[in-house]
Order: sequence, then C-alpha cells, then structure tokens
Amino acid sequence: IAGITQAPTSQILAAGRRMTLRCTQDMRHNAMYWYRQDLGLGLRLIHYSNTAGTTGKGEVPDGYSVSRANTDDFPLTLASAVPSQTSVYFCASSDSGGRGDEQFFGPGTRLTVL
Amino acid sequence: KNQVEQSPQSLIILEGKNCTLQCNYTVSPFSNLRWYKQDTGRGPVSLTIMTFSENTKSNGRYTATLDADTKQSSLHITASQLSDSASYICVVSGVGSYIPTFGRGTSLIVHP
Repeated sequence: IAGITQAPTSQILAAGRRMTLRCTQDMRHNAMYWYRQDLGLGLRLIHYSNTAGTTGKGEVPDGYSVSRANTDDFPLTLASAVPSQTSVYFCASSDSGGRGDEQFFGPGTRLTVL
Repeated sequence: KNQVEQSPQSLIILEGKNCTLQCNYTVSPFSNLRWYKQDTGRGPVSLTIMTFSENTKSNGRYTATLDADTKQSSLHITASQLSDSASYICVVSGVGSYIPTFGRGTSLIVHP
C-alpha cells in the first residue's frame, strides 16, 4: 500500500441499506477526514479525526458515522442510506490537524443510492 | 463564518494561453492557503502553499500570489497545456483550527 486507499471504487445501493466505506493510509498520519463532493458544491467535510480514538463532526455529518480504532483506518458508515447521499466520497489524511498541513486524498468512492 | 470564494466558476482557454484564477477568503486568524489541483476522477493534489509572509511562490508553470491584507490569492498558469484541464481548489486554514475551509473550485478546460 502506498499512500491512502479507499474501497469500494464504486457502489450502487438500495435506499435503506447499511453501507461502510473503507479508508486506509500507510503514512502514519495522525489526522484523517471524510468529504463528499457534489457538482457545484465542492468538497464538504463530513467527519474528521485528529488522532486515533477521537472523532469530530464536520459541515454535513447527519446520516453518517465514523470510528478511529487505530491510526491507519477510518471507516465511514451510512446506517440507512438515502438518495441524497448519492455522491463521490473522498477520504484524506494529514500529518496532524490544526496546522494546515497538506491533506493527501484517496481516489474516491462513487456511491449511488437508489 | 469562514468563507472561501473562487472565481471564475469555470474557464475555457486555448492551449498555450495564460490564465489567472482568483480566491478571496474571510478566514481569520490566517495560517496558510493552499491551491489543490483535482483531475477528473481523482482526488485533489496540493500544488502550493502560501503562508502569511509570502507574496508569491512558483511551482513550474504555476505561480501563486497572496495579499494577506486584502485576503486575496491568485493562481496564474503560464503557457497552458491540455494536462492543465482540471478543477483548482483554494483551501484556507486558520490558526489553531482543525478544519480548513474549502472553496468550491474553478473548473479549467484547455482546448487544443
């Protein structure tokens, strides 16, 4: 693994189903982030984690949950998917939060909720 | 509320021409400003970082400027190439803030 990876690459999901998007980084970065990107709205922060064991809410957290059990992994869960959650999801990491460090982004997961 | 506004929203230019993208922000106190390039279907990648004391910084054909007094930044692309076609995103971080503020990006299309 080099950098930050996400899985799956894309997914079509029925409304009401539960879905977990996976994100793993091998850079030993302390901070990790989840964004959604919608046409015309840019990247919007869903949840973030400054270090293993801590998480925080971003701009659009409703309907999503995260956990940070260790440094490398930061999964994003949709408990009961709705069509408005159709989007491209990006995971990112940085050396530390709070200093404006460069964020390294994964390749994204394209999610369609029908 | 911290805001980052980018203009234009989209831009089409011919290969070989220059262009300038604008970013205005209200984030305070200011820590740094980054320009990211996002190719279609990929995640954003950092092009350059500007701190409070820096007025201009170049990265190849990309030159970023910062006016911290007016809270404005620009990204100038010289002698554009087809590979410059992408979205360019301005991201501003405040001192002590864990969450940077993202602009919505400028979509640049370079035509042959």
